[in-house]
Amino acid sequence: DTAVSQTPKYLVTQMGNDKSIKCEQNLGHDTMYWYKQDSKKFLKIMFSYNNKELIINETVPNRFSPKSPDKAHLNLHINSLELGDSAVYFCASSQQGGSNTEAFFGQGTRLTVV
Amino acid sequence: AQRVTQPEKLLSVFKGAPVELKCNYSYSGSPELFWYVQYSRQRLQLLLRHISRESIKGFTADLNKGETSFHLKKPFAQEEDSAMYYCALRTGGGADGLTFGKGTHLIIQP
Repeated sequence: DTAVSQTPKYLVTQMGNDKSIKCEQNLGHDTMYWYKQDSKKFLKIMFSYNNKELIINETVPNRFSPKSPDKAHLNLHINSLELGDSAVYFCASSQQGGSNTEAFFGQGTRLTVV
Repeated sequence: AQRVTQPEKLLSVFKGAPVELKCNYSYSGSPELFWYVQYSRQRLQLLLRHISRESIKGFTADLNKGETSFHLKKPFAQEEDSAMYYCALRTGGGADGLTFGKGTHLIIQP
């Protein structure tokens, strides 16, 4: 079974549109994340979220918003898409504390804004 | 703020040669250090973390607090090692997520 799954795998959309990327984890982890990988393969944290706290990377535009319907899901909503938003977005999850705090990643969503 | 530096954007070695991917970090506290690997168009996978001190696929990495380094090494490279390698750091309980280096693209030539 896939531990962290994202949908869709590919997303092509026009500038100005609003889109969502879904993420689900079946590991029972308490913390989920969104990362952005740009065209130069540079990975940067966007959000970190558990049921108590949302930590936002201050460089992320407020057009991006995470929404968590429950502990196993963290969706990413993007409003008014811009060309510069084109990237691969990775969802991840981990468990805070304990002996195994490894972060597990989804397969990524390749977003192309045209 | 913490930072992870991978000085080599691209590293090309021949099959059977030793490999060393460099990673330096800056953080005032005691971080957790990791190496993640990303094969072509696949998800990131954990390769090593300094806490476990284990060897995976022949790779090892030792945390050197004096030099603030966590270099990844393998004595004999194999073609299937070709991938992007990311050094990453986590602080505190991990709620802030991972801080990644810019990655090193390792190419193993036959």
